[in-house]
Amino acid sequence: DQQVKQNSPSLSVQEGRISILNCDYTNSMFDYFLWYKKYPAEGPTFLISISSIKDKNEDGRFTVFLNKSAKHLSLHIVPSQPGDSAVYFCAAKSGGYQKVTFGTGTKLQVIP
Amino acid sequence: DAGVIQSPRHEVTEMGQEVTLRCKPISGHDYLFWYRQTMMRGLELLIYFNNNVPIDDSGMPEDRFSAKMPNASFSTLKIQPSEPRDSAVYFCASSLDLGGGTDTQYFGPGTRLTVL
Repeated sequence: DQQVKQNSPSLSVQEGRISILNCDYTNSMFDYFLWYKKYPAEGPTFLISISSIKDKNEDGRFTVFLNKSAKHLSLHIVPSQPGDSAVYFCAAKSGGYQKVTFGTGTKLQVIP
Repeated sequence: DAGVIQSPRHEVTEMGQEVTLRCKPISGHDYLFWYRQTMMRGLELLIYFNNNVPIDDSGMPEDRFSAKMPNASFSTLKIQPSEPRDSAVYFCASSLDLGGGTDTQYFGPGTRLTVL
């Protein structure tokens, strides 16, 4: 049972345009959400996070939006750059627990 | 800091053989996680430790899988006997509990396991 779902396995975007990566979750106990970025032959690295008490968190070109009623979050990258080409994992956790549930990932390709 | 270190980076073995994956977490981190990445299921948590004690092994697929953490700087994930369906990339990650549940996990580069 996938509690964190990324329904788009891949996405292609032109350089300079906006990239929007989507994520849905089913567990209403999740209250902290994260995005990780993964390059080939490397481990995932933390990108940005958001607590359930917020609906938006911004860090430079990266913004995460959370819609709790829809159990949906999205990652916006503006403007997209070729170096952003990677696999992006959405993840969620609940309470003070350390256990993190990851999605299946979305492969983003930014075309120069 | 060297980050999380995993060895080997690649492992090719034959079905039925024992496989041991190794991990050295970041010094001072008190949590260690083992994940498996597959196309179908993404990143799955297999087991995690707190201060060398296993906390949750509900993700371990079956009895063929076992994990140990004999000390704060070393952990192993063993598969015995290995099967072709175990082929995947296995990641180790560590984190430091700062309270509040917002700690970041730091991943190693992974071990790509191929079971023929």
